[in-house]
Amino acid sequence: QKEVEQDPGPLSVPEGAIVSLNCTYSNSAFQYFMWYRQYSRKGPELLMYTYSSGNKEDGRFTAQVDKSSKYISLFIRDSQPSDSATYLCAMIDSTGGGNKLTFGTGTQLKVEL
Amino acid sequence: DAMVIQNPRYQVTQFGKPVTLSCSQTLNHNVMYWYQQKSSQAPKLLFHYYDKDFNNEADTPDNFQSRRPNTSFCFLDIRSPGLGDAAMYLCATSRERQVGAPQHFGDGTRLSIL
Repeated sequence: QKEVEQDPGPLSVPEGAIVSLNCTYSNSAFQYFMWYRQYSRKGPELLMYTYSSGNKEDGRFTAQVDKSSKYISLFIRDSQPSDSATYLCAMIDSTGGGNKLTFGTGTQLKVEL
Repeated sequence: DAMVIQNPRYQVTQFGKPVTLSCSQTLNHNVMYWYQQKSSQAPKLLFHYYDKDFNNEADTPDNFQSRRPNTSFCFLDIRSPGLGDAAMYLCATSRERQVGAPQHFGDGTRLSIL
């Protein structure tokens, strides 16, 4: 079993839709949670960063962490064609002593006109 | 703009022929990381430098090595590339090494093996 599971998609939605992207994880020591956006042929770009359970909002993006269920989500409101990309969740084990990111495999999102 | 720059963007090498990938940063960050991302897979950490202190992941093959001659530059050396080493190689930086320090990525070098 992978430490971080993420549905690879592809996910296709119409412009303006609300998008929900999710990851589950098995390691209860994961304490830091990130969402990266990766456009084709580009490196991952940090989108959202959360530490505790709960919600964090930034513009059209909301990150949600439920540590009791080992489940994190990224919501995109009013999705735009420019949101078309692969979204990677990433986590850090706080007990390991290092800053190693453990990624999901990414969900490919396409927002269509 | 401060950034992480990787060169070249695309690299083709022959089976067994040594290859070096380059990363530079203008962020003046203390930590530099190298990740390997194979097609449709999650990026996987190979190693990182905290200043000049090299830290190898336990499952990183011996075929992969790294050099950091100064704060700004870090190199990934693959001594004898095999077909399984074809991947995107991502360089990242963080200001410090403490747990949770955000990492900033370059656009990667896509390595092909003939």
